[in-house]
Amino acid sequence: QKEVEQNSGPLSVPEGAIASLNCTYSDRGSQSFFWYRQYSGKSPELIMFIYSNGDKEDGRFTAQLNKASQYVSLLIRDSQPSDSATYLCAFPPGRLTGGGNKLTFGTGTQLKVEL
Amino acid sequence: DTEVTQTPKHLVMGMTNKKSLKCEQHMGHRAMYWYKQKAKKPPELMFVYSYEKLSINESVPSRFSPECPNSSLLNLHLHALQPEDSALYLCASSPNPGPTSGNTIYFGEGSWLTVV
Repeated sequence: QKEVEQNSGPLSVPEGAIASLNCTYSDRGSQSFFWYRQYSGKSPELIMFIYSNGDKEDGRFTAQLNKASQYVSLLIRDSQPSDSATYLCAFPPGRLTGGGNKLTFGTGTQLKVEL
Repeated sequence: DTEVTQTPKHLVMGMTNKKSLKCEQHMGHRAMYWYKQKAKKPPELMFVYSYEKLSINESVPSRFSPECPNSSLLNLHLHALQPEDSALYLCASSPNPGPTSGNTIYFGEGSWLTVV
């Protein structure tokens, strides 16, 4: 089983719709989860992090974490063409697997917001 | 201010050249990282420095040599690279070295390396 799995997409949504991006992970010890946005040719930019079960909202973005089911999601409300990018989920290893300060990235989901 | 500065932004080098990539942060972060990213792939960790000491080397070939002169600077020395080493090299930093909750990793804009 891969450490983290993401649907590579592309995920196409119309402008104004809700985009839902999902990520599943295998390391039950993982405590923090991060969502990065990466525009083509640019470096990853942090959007949100979450470490408690439930939802965390920041503007149009909502991160959802379910540790029992080992998935983390990112919802983008009122999607805009400027949201078109690759979204990477990432997390450091849990303490039980050796800890350390490594960040494991998913393969990324390409989002396309269409006019 | 969450800024990690990398220079140069673009570098073209021959396989016999010696060059260096530089990274700087003034956020007081105690962990710094080098990642490598190929097209349409996620970033791959290369090295981690914690409190200016190398703590993780992900079995990177010796033609890549990291250096941390002080807590704000991180270099990546390049020598005898191969064309397949062409990629985006990302420097990053985080407040703390450990996987603590919310210990966010911030990336610089990256250095595009082309080996010819």
